[in-house]
Amino acid sequence: ELKVEQNPLFLSMQEGKNYTIYCNYSTTSDRLYWYRQDPGKSLESLFVLLSNGAVKQEGRLMASLDTKARLSTLHITAAVHDLSATYFCAGTYGGATNKLIFGTGTLLAVQP
Amino acid sequence: EPEVTQTPSHQVTQMGQEVILRCVPISNHLYFYWYRQILGQKVEFLVSFYNNEISEKSEIFDDQFSVERPDGSNFTLKIRSTKLEDSAMYFCASRIGTSSYNEQFFGPGTRLTVL
Repeated sequence: ELKVEQNPLFLSMQEGKNYTIYCNYSTTSDRLYWYRQDPGKSLESLFVLLSNGAVKQEGRLMASLDTKARLSTLHITAAVHDLSATYFCAGTYGGATNKLIFGTGTLLAVQP
Repeated sequence: EPEVTQTPSHQVTQMGQEVILRCVPISNHLYFYWYRQILGQKVEFLVSFYNNEISEKSEIFDDQFSVERPDGSNFTLKIRSTKLEDSAMYFCASRIGTSSYNEQFFGPGTRLTVL
Protein backbone atom coordinates (compact mmCIF):
# COMPACT_ATOMS: atom_id res chain seq x y z
CA GLU A 1 0.00 0.00 0.00
CA LEU A 2 1.07 3.54 -0.68
CA LYS A 3 3.08 5.22 2.05
CA VAL A 4 3.91 8.92 2.00
CA GLU A 5 6.68 10.52 4.01
CA GLN A 6 7.59 14.15 4.35
CA ASN A 7 10.57 15.92 5.68
CA PRO A 8 11.30 17.95 7.57
CA LEU A 9 8.50 17.67 10.11
CA PHE A 10 9.19 21.15 11.37
CA LEU A 11 10.80 24.05 9.58
CA SER A 12 11.60 27.39 11.11
CA MET A 13 12.84 29.90 8.63
CA GLN A 14 13.41 33.59 8.38
CA GLU A 15 11.50 35.86 6.08
CA GLY A 16 13.18 36.23 2.75
CA LYS A 17 14.86 32.83 2.79
CA ASN A 18 14.27 29.89 0.47
CA TYR A 19 13.64 26.33 1.46
CA THR A 20 12.28 23.03 0.16
CA ILE A 21 9.91 20.47 1.66
CA TYR A 22 10.34 16.92 0.42
CA CYS A 23 7.68 14.29 -0.09
CA ASN A 24 8.64 10.69 -0.82
CA TYR A 25 6.13 8.01 -1.65
CA SER A 26 6.55 4.27 -1.72
CA THR A 27 4.69 2.99 -4.78
CA THR A 28 3.12 4.34 -7.89
CA SER A 29 0.67 7.10 -7.12
CA ASP A 30 -1.90 8.30 -9.61
CA ARG A 31 -1.15 11.87 -8.74
CA LEU A 32 0.31 14.00 -6.00
CA TYR A 33 -1.37 16.80 -4.09
CA TRP A 34 -0.13 19.54 -1.84
CA TYR A 35 -2.39 21.04 0.81
CA ARG A 36 -2.05 23.86 3.28
CA GLN A 37 -3.65 23.75 6.71
CA ASP A 38 -3.85 26.68 9.10
CA PRO A 39 -4.29 25.87 12.81
CA GLY A 40 -7.76 24.49 13.50
CA LYS A 41 -8.79 24.89 9.89
CA SER A 42 -9.52 22.68 6.93
CA LEU A 43 -7.28 21.62 4.07
CA GLU A 44 -6.73 24.10 1.30
CA SER A 45 -5.67 22.60 -2.00
CA LEU A 46 -2.49 24.17 -3.36
CA PHE A 47 -1.33 21.99 -6.24
CA VAL A 48 -2.26 18.86 -8.14
CA LEU A 49 0.63 17.22 -9.98
CA LEU A 50 -0.42 14.81 -12.65
CA SER A 51 2.64 13.51 -14.42
CA ASN A 52 6.37 13.11 -14.31
CA GLY A 53 8.20 16.39 -14.58
CA ALA A 54 5.14 18.43 -13.69
CA VAL A 55 5.94 21.80 -12.19
CA LYS A 56 3.38 24.26 -10.87
CA GLN A 57 3.87 27.65 -9.31
CA GLU A 58 1.61 29.94 -7.35
CA GLY A 59 3.14 33.03 -5.84
CA ARG A 60 6.10 32.07 -3.66
CA LEU A 61 5.34 28.34 -3.80
CA MET A 62 6.46 25.95 -6.50
CA ALA A 63 5.72 22.22 -6.58
CA SER A 64 7.34 19.58 -8.74
CA LEU A 65 6.98 15.86 -9.30
CA ASP A 66 9.54 13.21 -10.22
CA THR A 67 7.68 9.94 -10.57
CA LYS A 68 10.83 7.93 -11.24
CA ALA A 69 12.34 9.02 -7.96
CA ARG A 70 8.89 8.93 -6.31
CA LEU A 71 9.59 12.40 -5.03
CA SER A 72 7.68 15.63 -4.94
CA THR A 73 9.04 18.91 -3.66
CA LEU A 74 7.44 22.13 -2.47
CA HIS A 75 9.84 25.00 -2.82
CA ILE A 76 9.32 28.23 -0.92
CA THR A 77 10.91 31.34 -2.35
CA ALA A 78 11.55 34.43 -0.23
CA ALA A 79 9.30 33.27 2.58
CA VAL A 80 6.88 35.66 4.25
CA HIS A 81 5.11 35.29 7.58
CA ASP A 82 1.77 34.61 5.86
CA LEU A 83 3.13 31.30 4.61
CA SER A 84 3.30 29.95 8.16
CA ALA A 85 1.09 26.85 8.21
CA THR A 86 1.29 23.08 8.03
CA TYR A 87 1.83 21.68 4.55
CA PHE A 88 0.77 18.18 3.61
CA CYS A 89 1.48 16.17 0.54
CA ALA A 90 -0.90 13.36 -0.39
CA GLY A 91 -1.00 10.66 -3.04
CA THR A 92 -3.98 8.87 -4.45
CA TYR A 93 -4.17 5.12 -4.43
CA GLY A 94 -6.87 2.65 -5.16
CA GLY A 95 -8.47 2.93 -8.55
CA ALA A 96 -11.92 4.47 -8.62
CA THR A 97 -11.95 5.10 -4.87
CA ASN A 98 -9.04 7.52 -5.14
CA LYS A 99 -8.62 7.81 -1.39
CA LEU A 100 -5.91 10.22 -0.35
CA ILE A 101 -2.90 8.97 1.59
CA PHE A 102 -1.35 11.87 3.46
CA GLY A 103 2.18 12.52 4.53
CA THR A 104 3.05 13.46 8.08
CA GLY A 105 2.94 17.17 7.36
CA THR A 106 5.54 19.90 7.67
CA LEU A 107 4.91 22.69 10.14
CA LEU A 108 6.39 25.81 8.64
CA ALA A 109 7.06 28.79 10.89
CA VAL A 110 8.34 31.89 9.16
CA GLN A 111 10.00 34.29 11.56
CA PRO A 112 10.13 38.01 10.85
CA GLU B 1 -18.58 28.98 -5.30
CA PRO B 2 -19.99 25.63 -4.16
CA GLU B 3 -18.41 24.19 -1.04
CA VAL B 4 -18.64 21.26 1.32
CA THR B 5 -20.25 22.16 4.62
CA GLN B 6 -20.11 20.30 7.94
CA THR B 7 -22.06 20.55 11.17
CA PRO B 8 -21.48 20.95 13.98
CA SER B 9 -18.13 22.69 13.99
CA HIS B 10 -17.41 21.33 17.47
CA GLN B 11 -19.04 18.45 19.30
CA VAL B 12 -18.33 17.51 22.88
CA THR B 13 -19.62 14.16 24.11
CA GLN B 14 -19.20 11.71 26.91
CA MET B 15 -17.43 8.42 26.37
CA GLY B 16 -19.89 5.74 25.30
CA GLN B 17 -22.33 8.15 23.73
CA GLU B 18 -23.36 8.10 20.10
CA VAL B 19 -22.52 11.01 17.84
CA ILE B 20 -23.57 11.87 14.32
CA LEU B 21 -21.44 14.18 12.26
CA ARG B 22 -23.12 15.78 9.28
CA CYS B 23 -21.82 16.85 5.92
CA VAL B 24 -23.43 18.40 2.87
CA PRO B 25 -21.23 17.61 -0.13
CA ILE B 26 -21.16 19.74 -3.25
CA SER B 27 -24.44 19.09 -5.01
CA ASN B 28 -23.34 17.40 -8.23
CA HIS B 29 -20.59 15.33 -6.64
CA LEU B 30 -20.83 11.56 -6.62
CA TYR B 31 -18.02 10.36 -4.36
CA PHE B 32 -17.93 11.11 -0.66
CA TYR B 33 -15.25 10.58 1.96
CA TRP B 34 -14.57 10.88 5.63
CA TYR B 35 -11.08 11.51 6.99
CA ARG B 36 -9.92 12.15 10.49
CA GLN B 37 -7.00 14.01 12.00
CA ILE B 38 -5.95 13.44 15.58
CA LEU B 39 -4.50 16.61 17.02
CA GLY B 40 -1.00 17.22 15.72
CA GLN B 41 -1.01 14.19 13.45
CA LYS B 42 -1.57 13.50 9.79
CA VAL B 43 -4.90 13.17 8.06
CA GLU B 44 -6.13 9.57 7.80
CA PHE B 45 -8.65 8.06 5.42
CA LEU B 46 -11.69 6.48 7.06
CA VAL B 47 -14.21 5.59 4.36
CA SER B 48 -15.36 6.31 0.84
CA PHE B 49 -18.95 6.14 -0.36
CA TYR B 50 -20.38 5.91 -3.84
CA ASN B 51 -23.73 4.95 -5.27
CA ASN B 52 -25.23 4.61 -1.80
CA GLU B 53 -22.72 2.13 -0.51
CA ILE B 54 -19.28 1.99 1.02
CA SER B 55 -16.65 1.57 -1.68
CA GLU B 56 -13.67 1.30 0.65
CA LYS B 57 -12.94 1.58 4.34
CA SER B 58 -9.80 1.67 6.41
CA GLU B 59 -8.84 -0.42 9.42
CA ILE B 60 -9.87 2.50 11.62
CA PHE B 61 -13.45 2.23 10.35
CA ASP B 62 -14.59 -0.60 12.58
CA ASP B 63 -18.07 -1.69 13.62
CA GLN B 64 -18.48 1.41 15.77
CA PHE B 65 -18.57 3.56 12.66
CA SER B 66 -21.24 3.81 10.01
CA VAL B 67 -22.03 6.17 7.17
CA GLU B 68 -25.28 7.05 5.52
CA ARG B 69 -26.72 9.29 2.88
CA PRO B 70 -30.21 9.61 4.33
CA ASP B 71 -31.50 12.02 1.71
CA GLY B 72 -30.25 13.59 -1.47
CA SER B 73 -27.95 16.05 0.22
CA ASN B 74 -26.62 14.95 3.61
CA PHE B 75 -23.80 12.50 4.23
CA THR B 76 -23.40 11.41 7.84
CA LEU B 77 -20.79 9.66 9.95
CA LYS B 78 -22.07 7.93 13.06
CA ILE B 79 -19.94 6.70 15.90
CA ARG B 80 -22.07 4.38 18.03
CA SER B 81 -20.15 4.32 21.29
CA THR B 82 -17.44 6.93 21.39
CA LYS B 83 -14.05 6.30 22.94
CA LEU B 84 -11.50 8.79 24.19
CA GLU B 85 -9.31 7.99 21.20
CA ASP B 86 -12.06 9.07 18.82
CA SER B 87 -11.29 12.67 19.75
CA ALA B 88 -10.12 14.21 16.51
CA MET B 89 -11.03 16.56 13.69
CA TYR B 90 -13.25 14.83 11.17
CA PHE B 91 -13.23 16.06 7.60
CA CYS B 92 -15.77 15.30 4.93
CA ALA B 93 -14.74 15.50 1.29
CA SER B 94 -16.49 15.07 -2.02
CA ARG B 95 -15.45 14.49 -5.62
CA ILE B 96 -17.41 15.06 -8.75
CA GLY B 97 -16.97 11.88 -10.76
CA THR B 98 -15.22 8.72 -11.72
CA SER B 99 -12.12 10.16 -13.33
CA SER B 100 -9.07 9.98 -11.14
CA TYR B 101 -8.30 13.50 -12.30
CA ASN B 102 -11.18 14.80 -10.24
CA GLU B 103 -10.03 16.56 -7.13
CA GLN B 104 -11.49 16.08 -3.66
CA PHE B 105 -12.88 19.14 -1.92
CA PHE B 106 -12.77 19.25 1.85
CA GLY B 107 -15.23 20.65 4.31
CA PRO B 108 -14.20 22.82 7.28
CA GLY B 109 -14.22 19.86 9.67
CA THR B 110 -15.93 18.91 12.92
CA ARG B 111 -13.84 18.84 16.04
CA LEU B 112 -14.99 15.94 18.20
CA THR B 113 -14.00 15.94 21.84
CA VAL B 114 -14.76 12.81 23.84
CA LEU B 115 -14.59 13.24 27.62
